[in-house]
Amino acid sequence: DAGVTQSPTHLIKTRGQQVTLRCSPKSGHDTVSWYQQALGQGPQFIFQYYEEEERQRGNFPDRFSGHQFPNYSSELNVNALLLGDSALYLCASSPGQGLAGNTIYFGEGSWLTVV
Amino acid sequence: GIQVEQSPPDLILQEGANSTLRCNFSDSVNNLQWFHQNPWGQLINLFYIPSGTKQNGRLSATTVATERYSLLYISSSQTTDSGVYFCAVAENQGGKLIFGQGTELSVKP
Repeated sequence: DAGVTQSPTHLIKTRGQQVTLRCSPKSGHDTVSWYQQALGQGPQFIFQYYEEEERQRGNFPDRFSGHQFPNYSSELNVNALLLGDSALYLCASSPGQGLAGNTIYFGEGSWLTVV
Repeated sequence: GIQVEQSPPDLILQEGANSTLRCNFSDSVNNLQWFHQNPWGQLINLFYIPSGTKQNGRLSATTVATERYSLLYISSSQTTDSGVYFCAVAENQGGKLIFGQGTELSVKP
């Protein structure tokens, strides 16, 4: 049973560029969420996708956008990269939109460095 | 929104020692999970425990929902227990996890 998988593992981008990160949820899960974790901090919620629509969003600018495909996999896109976007980006999946009674599982993350 | 506070922020132990990590939250929750983040960044699920007590080997956790706190116990600690431990909660009807700042545990041989 494959867990949550993310790609790429590490990447370096230049300020102003755009980046796309990818995530495949755990088997049987239909909901994907993205989190940003800056160094020394706890993860911060970016947004959640369910039934191919953004259902909930955290306090992140419109430069952060996403997509969910019919097979439940997801992409996170960040435009006009800033140095402050350097972080670990974590994808999480769960069986359903709500978290009551559901364990949420995380992938290994994508380390983004903006130079 | 809900505030999550973890204590202590840092903890250094000798191998074999026991420890207790605490998580306080400011409102009622429908999900509470404990995670261990390894040095490569992966968040590993330890417990889903919005209330009650669970045990898994040397680890156990207790959540007292009415008093809005959870405790993670680590017994007979090993060097492989080192890393950051996070508590995360979800608000009722919510779909996002809100994380504490973590407890960084270092177990010395």
